[in-house]
Amino acid sequence: EIVLTQSPGTLSLSPGERATLSCRASQSVSDNYLAWYQQKPGQAPRLLIYGASYRATGFPDRFSGSGSGTDFTLTISRLEPEDFAVYYCQQYGSFPRTFGQGTKVEIK
Amino acid sequence: QLVESGGDLVQPGGSLRLSCAASGIVFNTYAMSWVRQAPGKGLEWVAGIRGAGDITHYADSVKGRFTISRDNSKKTLYLEMNSLRAEDTSVYYCATHYGDYLNRLECWGQGTPVTVSS
Repeated sequence: EIVLTQSPGTLSLSPGERATLSCRASQSVSDNYLAWYQQKPGQAPRLLIYGASYRATGFPDRFSGSGSGTDFTLTISRLEPEDFAVYYCQQYGSFPRTFGQGTKVEIK
Repeated sequence: QLVESGGDLVQPGGSLRLSCAASGIVFNTYAMSWVRQAPGKGLEWVAGIRGAGDITHYADSVKGRFTISRDNSKKTLYLEMNSLRAEDTSVYYCATHYGDYLNRLECWGQGTPVTVSS
């Protein structure tokens, strides 16, 4: 099983600042099959990034994903008030599919 | 649109069947999964099934206790849960994948809560 470790657990930032979230895999994620999801309180998760770097429909270009192999990054270039949420990475290159434990981006 | 139902309070060792009704999609062309989230915790992929219903995969934590299935004529996904434990207490989400493979999770329902407690 691929274990995904996200860091930091919590990121305290102000609107307009840059957010950098990390997702590290215990073994290489095949074909960079790595996704990021955004979840707001009381809501279902929402697909944000897939294939490590492809942005899903509906998200602005301030969100970007990068990385390969075992190290992946989600960057939010300038935080907007609606971006404060929990972000999860997930690998879908091998079974069982696994998620990271999440990074909460909170308002400082 | 995906709408889950069937969540309830059940005693340890009990059983429950969750349903997920889909609309607005050609249901049998999509692989689907169940994902759960314990109170205040992160996401855990539980089980997935291909469009024809012939191929399934499970997380180790539920293998042998849970069964995922689908009725394409009714556009409905199911999760049969047996030998329930306190640690199965979660909100259970159904979700579609992109096409007929268990890849990224594109569309999610709003979830149905399951509580396992005496």
